[in-house]
Amino acid sequence: AQRVTQPEKLLSVFKGAPVELKCNYSYSGSPELFWYVQYSRQRLQLLLRHISRESIKGFTADLNKGETSFHLKKPFAQEEDSAMYYCALSSVNSGYSTLTFGKGTMLLVSP
Amino acid sequence: KAGVTQTPRYLIKTRGQQVTLSCSPISGHRSVSWYQQTPGQGLQFLFEYFSETQRNKGNFPGRFSGRQFSNSRSEMNVSTLELGDSALYLCASSLDPGLAGGQYFGPGTRLTVT
Repeated sequence: AQRVTQPEKLLSVFKGAPVELKCNYSYSGSPELFWYVQYSRQRLQLLLRHISRESIKGFTADLNKGETSFHLKKPFAQEEDSAMYYCALSSVNSGYSTLTFGKGTMLLVSP
Repeated sequence: KAGVTQTPRYLIKTRGQQVTLSCSPISGHRSVSWYQQTPGQGLQFLFEYFSETQRNKGNFPGRFSGRQFSNSRSEMNVSTLELGDSALYLCASSLDPGLAGGQYFGPGTRLTVT
């Protein structure tokens, strides 16, 4: 069965410091991975997906199949980055895909 | 374009009762998925509906059920409520099933079971 692990419940950094939110997965098939973000009092929204290899709001994430990881990184954290971040894996089961989420990491960026 | 809407936003029920939650997807979206979010378990997939048919189901007991109407609106029902059913229930819509990265989430319904 597929599994997504986010080892840190809370990550606290100062503004301007580098950020790395860890995500590891287990899945026997070809993974499709995403990062979702939930800002305070806002709904859950897609931040980025590994397929598009894009940078959103300065965040990037690289899929490392050897280490089964999809860590989210940003070189210089901003206060507005404070939010809950969820890593998610899309897996196919009987022809239908399902999103499996990690338990999330709360990022707090202090001034 | 209006986002995904969920009603009601908050609900308090007593153990043993049943509850129905509603989700209206983004206009044109035909797939609706439901998730349960709790502090202990995080976000867990409940089920997905497309064209009024349940296409996929998570690992939840039969007390949890849902349906989708011809206008793509969806409802989920929980019967014989238990204290552990207290959670935020999220609905997400997408154009087609399987577009995991194309899901748009609603604000959720906060269910409290006493």
